[in-house]
Amino acid sequence: GAVVSQHPSRVICKSGTSVKIECRSLDFQATTMFWYRQFPKQSLMLMATSNEGSKATYEQGVEKDKFLINHASLTLSTLTVTSAHPEDSSFYICSAGVVEGGGPQHFGDGTRLSIL
Amino acid sequence: GENVEQHPSTLSVQEGDSAVIKCTYSDSASNYFPWYKQELGKRPQLIIDIRSNVGEKKDQRIAVTLNKTAKHFSLHITETQPEDSAVYFCAGDRGSYIPTFGRGTSLIVHP
Repeated sequence: GAVVSQHPSRVICKSGTSVKIECRSLDFQATTMFWYRQFPKQSLMLMATSNEGSKATYEQGVEKDKFLINHASLTLSTLTVTSAHPEDSSFYICSAGVVEGGGPQHFGDGTRLSIL
Repeated sequence: GENVEQHPSTLSVQEGDSAVIKCTYSDSASNYFPWYKQELGKRPQLIIDIRSNVGEKKDQRIAVTLNKTAKHFSLHITETQPEDSAVYFCAGDRGSYIPTFGRGTSLIVHP
């Protein structure tokens, strides 16, 4: 089945650091990937839709200059949390899958980000 | 845009009982409805899905029913086991196939 790889799985860093998270589709091409943020015991909150070769589409309330998304190839999307602060600490998870016609999303393992 | 409501937020059952989780959606253009299971600290995984041209789908102990007229769909788990304990999310698409997730149901199966 489709596999999505996400790295790193855990990041602990100081306030002000920028953190890059990678999301790769290992055995299929993904023109669209999604980035979510999940707080403890809460649902997946869609942050942005990452489109290969074009700008990401951000959800309302998500700062595009804070959360930089790059989707340079059909198998890789990156999320960079710029100048991270403690309030950015969260579980970030990506997904990829068939978009046209509707289909299941395949999720990465997620990244637990802790900003000290 | 799509709005997906999921109930209950917590469901506690005894092993062997059935569990039912319900979701409603707002966008009549939605046509794909998956259910995901997320164990603590792990990725969500698809357990079953249904498309708008089908009213019911079953896979062993798991079934999903869809009522397009009423715009609701439900997950049914029979003969629950402790390993079914997890958070379950329903999702609908927003017509543009962008998934919108429900708030999740924490299912606890007591042995």
